[in-house]
Amino acid sequence: GAVVSQHPSWVICKSGTSVKIECRSLDFQATTMFWYRQFPKQSLMLMATSNEGSKATYEQGVEKDKFLINHASLTLSTLTVTSAHPEDSSFYICSARAGRGSDQPQHFGDGTRLSIL
Amino acid sequence: AQSVAQPEDQVNVAEGNPLTVKCTYSVSGNPYLFWYVQYPNRGLQFLLKYITGDNLVKGSYGFEAEFNKSQTSFHLKKPSALVSDSALYFCAVRSFTDKLIFGTGTRLQVFP
Repeated sequence: GAVVSQHPSWVICKSGTSVKIECRSLDFQATTMFWYRQFPKQSLMLMATSNEGSKATYEQGVEKDKFLINHASLTLSTLTVTSAHPEDSSFYICSARAGRGSDQPQHFGDGTRLSIL
Repeated sequence: AQSVAQPEDQVNVAEGNPLTVKCTYSVSGNPYLFWYVQYPNRGLQFLLKYITGDNLVKGSYGFEAEFNKSQTSFHLKKPSALVSDSALYFCAVRSFTDKLIFGTGTRLQVFP
């Protein structure tokens, strides 16, 4: 149980392109989803927290207009990297948590490797 | 400030030997602690958590962790390591803002 599907797994695109990444909870309802960014050999950096039906809460230093997050249903959240540039190249990982209790673990997708040429 | 420390960048162990991956935390109040494992080019997989109760928590794939309040530690352990356990391990603590704070990760290398 508690499977989170994230796709695409890999994206290679030209600078200036917008890229959408989907995160789905397959067998549970995710009240809260999280988006992380991971640089090589580093830990995860939380970008934003999204609750179903409300606006995402962004961490300090993360541009809202650059990284658009939508959490339209209890099983789907999307991250759109708008007008991507090479510095946006990274490994993006989503996670989902069932219920509102913070004692529940987050379940992670397999990540999306984004490469901007 | 709330934080998690994983003092070892890498841990090497021979297959069949016991392994320990260290984690210490700093948080006000009762901690919610988690261990995750990450394989190359994959997301994180949940291993185990401590919320309350017994200090020894058993998790997936034969892993366990011991919560030690006096030492503010939550070390991950396994009695007999497998080569397939080689991966990147993250300790995490829930922050007072209900987010997970991750350690920097420890790479476990199990040699045959």
